[in-house]
Amino acid sequence: GAGVSQSPSNKVTEKGKDVELRCDPISGHTALYWYRQRLGQGLEFLIYFQGNSAPDKSGLPSDRFSAERTGESVSTLTIQRTQQEDSAVYLCASSLAGANPEAFFGQGTRLTVV
Amino acid sequence: GDSVTQMEGPVTLSEEAFLTINCTYTATGYPSLFWYVQYPGEGLQLLLKATKADDKGSNKGFEATYRKETTSFHLEKGSVQVSDSAVYFCALRVSNTGKLIFGQGTTLQVKP
Repeated sequence: GAGVSQSPSNKVTEKGKDVELRCDPISGHTALYWYRQRLGQGLEFLIYFQGNSAPDKSGLPSDRFSAERTGESVSTLTIQRTQQEDSAVYLCASSLAGANPEAFFGQGTRLTVV
Repeated sequence: GDSVTQMEGPVTLSEEAFLTINCTYTATGYPSLFWYVQYPGEGLQLLLKATKADDKGSNKGFEATYRKETTSFHLEKGSVQVSDSAVYFCALRVSNTGKLIFGQGTTLQVKP
């Protein structure tokens, strides 16, 4: 596709339910990032995939959060037993490999936990 | 650990005023530095970057110089326009992993 695509664009879920957020990176991009942006705050790093290397999961806030990536394509961020504090915009970005490639961002998924 | 700190906003300026948004970083190794911008209703996009000490990144009248001695990458523009109103994020790429870390963002409001 032309850019990074995220789905759904909006998700409202009840507290305690599990949710899956999807990211389709730009074709050929080996690096993929997930961030969380709470209202009025900055980008909080969650997880980073680079090719076939083990992902950097150092930003995942709890064991309720997990992410997978199939090869160099789609990634899914899963939040189990959602809590109200999980409400945020979840952003995905992808980039080429190399020293300093530009990261391209999707429009994000706005998650609201009620 | 690696981190980025930006000046708190919002920054409110009149059109044609001079802009500085401060950014400092903490990193091991030799990171690359970036400024991203998020215009209202749009996604984040790269504004400029610098990959080594003393490099100057520039785009759309904005500039930032990579200062290793002060671990800074301040964003400047000589004459802001209303259309520059946005949220600006400073970021670094960790040199040995490629991980991209962002600051908390600074909101700029330019009034006519």
